[in-house]
Amino acid sequence: QKEVEQNSGPLSVPEGAIASLNCTYSDRVSQSFFWYRQYSGKSPELIMSIYSNGDKEDGRFTAQLNKASQYVSLLIRDSQPSDSATYLCASPRDSSASKIIFGSGTRLSIRP
Amino acid sequence: EAQVTQNPRYLITVTGKKLTVTCSQNMNHEYMSWYRQDPGLGLRQIYYSMNVEVTDKGDVPEGYKVSRKEKRNFPLILESPSPNQTSLYFCASSTGQGSYNEQFFGPGTRLTVL
Repeated sequence: QKEVEQNSGPLSVPEGAIASLNCTYSDRVSQSFFWYRQYSGKSPELIMSIYSNGDKEDGRFTAQLNKASQYVSLLIRDSQPSDSATYLCASPRDSSASKIIFGSGTRLSIRP
Repeated sequence: EAQVTQNPRYLITVTGKKLTVTCSQNMNHEYMSWYRQDPGLGLRQIYYSMNVEVTDKGDVPEGYKVSRKEKRNFPLILESPSPNQTSLYFCASSTGQGSYNEQFFGPGTRLTVL
């Protein structure tokens, strides 16, 4: 199993709907997670971080961490065309706080 | 403006010709890192540095060198580039414990090795 795994997509969601992005992880990562957004041709930028079990909300974004099932999700409410991007899930590797592992990313497309 | 800068942004070179990609940050961050991004593989860590004169290998260090002589600079050196090093490269920096904090990414360097 990959340390951090994402479905590559593309995930197509109508404007105004909820987009749900998922990431599963192995025991080899630290269970602290980051969601980065990357527009085509641009660098990643942090959207959310989550360290403990449960939900964390920030505006239209909600991160959910379920340690028992080893998955982390990002929900985007009221999806806008500007949300169309690739979303990267990342976590520090368990054995070393200096290494961070990224998933391969999920491409999200919001259709008007 | 707080930022991470990389130069050059685009580079086409030939096999075996040494090159350096510079990275500089103005946020006084201790932690810096280099990644490469390839289609379907996501971001993979090449090297990282926890502080000045402290560097270590990431997951894909073969064919690369780094140095950290000053806190703000972290150049990536390809002594003898090969076509399989054609990729998009990102430098990133972070405070404190590095990977447990938000990483700020540079704009990227697109490298083509012929």
